[in-house]
Amino acid sequence: DAKTTQPPSMDCAEGRAANLPCNHSTISGNEYVYWYRQIHSQGPQYIIHGLKNNETNEMASLIITEDRKSSTLILPHATLRDTAVYYCIVTPSGSARQLTFGSGTQLTVLP
Amino acid sequence: EAGVVQSPRYKIIEKKQPVAFWCNPISGHNTLYWYLQNLGQGPELLIRYENEEAVDDSQLPKDRFSAERLKGVDSTLKIQPAELGDSAVYLCASSLDDSSYEQYFGPGTRLTVT
Repeated sequence: DAKTTQPPSMDCAEGRAANLPCNHSTISGNEYVYWYRQIHSQGPQYIIHGLKNNETNEMASLIITEDRKSSTLILPHATLRDTAVYYCIVTPSGSARQLTFGSGTQLTVLP
Repeated sequence: EAGVVQSPRYKIIEKKQPVAFWCNPISGHNTLYWYLQNLGQGPELLIRYENEEAVDDSQLPKDRFSAERLKGVDSTLKIQPAELGDSAVYLCASSLDDSSYEQYFGPGTRLTVT
């Protein structure tokens, strides 16, 4: 599986967009990019996933570069409840059966 | 709809004692996962079940860890005997099947071995 690199921590002001980067320079053609988050004392929660096209759902947007070597998760209007560890994961298939979590990015939304 | 239920939420035991964790997945979910999460790190897969069959247990330390999923619903993860290094959060997750893109996680069981 391709390895991912994320900054260990980021801050964001409440109400502003939070842009979380992820580098996956060794990703191969059939590998997907998944994002999960983990709020303190809870289990991880699925956010979004994609292969090559940009994706948007009610929680976030996923922007994948054309060469697919990096991606950005965007939370358009961050709230205090978005404070969590965000995991960027590359999987060998479209399913979530092989999730390998790294250390993630601790996002702190500041009031 | 009820989520993934785990019990107990917290457990403190002395080393060399046995311990068991229970997981009830979301109704209708055929795939069940057990993860271990050490402090400051992401979850690590221990075992994955498709119905009652363990299809990936390559990361399960079989000398002391065991798991079962009778009737393809609830699952139990056991450690015997526990060691100090087993102190961690044990997470259970489920998904509709192994082609699903979303795993649903329970709140976890925090184990402290003294």
